Amino acid sequence: QVQLQESGPGLVKPSGTLSLTCAVSGGSTSSSIWWGWVRQPPGKGLEWIGDIYHSGSTNYNPSLKSRVTISADKSKNQFSLKLTSVTAADTAVYYCARLSSGYSVFDFWGQGTLVTVSS
Amino acid sequence: DILMTQSPSSLSASVGDRVTITCRASQSISSYLNWYQQKPGKAPKVLIYGTSNLQSGVPSRFSGSGSGTDFTLTISGLQPEDFATYYCQQSYSNLGWTFGQGTKVEIK
Repeated sequence: QVQLQESGPGLVKPSGTLSLTCAVSGGSTSSSIWWGWVRQPPGKGLEWIGDIYHSGSTNYNPSLKSRVTISADKSKNQFSLKLTSVTAADTAVYYCARLSSGYSVFDFWGQGTLVTVSS
Repeated sequence: DILMTQSPSSLSASVGDRVTITCRASQSISSYLNWYQQKPGKAPKVLIYGTSNLQSGVPSRFSGSGSGTDFTLTISGLQPEDFATYYCQQSYSNLGWTFGQGTKVEIK
């Protein structure tokens, strides 16, 4: 059973950089699978941020592309999210998830971590 | 971007009711449509992938149908544990996966 666990600061200052890591167990970031990030502002819907393939290829949400970097550390079996120049609008629960092959469905999710952007 | 529009945004239903949620894509997405259930404070959980394929472990009262731009999620015989928010997601364009805005199913 694949398990994912997000970690990182819960509070980030405006104009700063949000950095989160997702640790994967029961699966490998080196396998032929995409691994992604999805966020959810309080009381709102889901927004895809981006994902990374085992080769290092990435896809990003066009609306966030200029501020997002997703990377992977195969030796630690984890992948990371960096979001720069954050504002209050970036306050959200951030989820990491596995994107299955075939129909590209998010089939395993982390529990989510709330990141608040505030001074 | 492919815009996904769900209807209704919310509904009230009773245990045992048949519930239908609709998701419409702004362009054809073939059968690349997935459905998720989310309960408060929890991560989403996949119910249906590829329009009509039931995820392992999901009760058979959940079903999906459609193609092209119009899709439905049906719950046949609503159970107390089904009160939640449901999201559709298109996985046709890897230029950007997009979700519907959600449908909240509440107890009548």
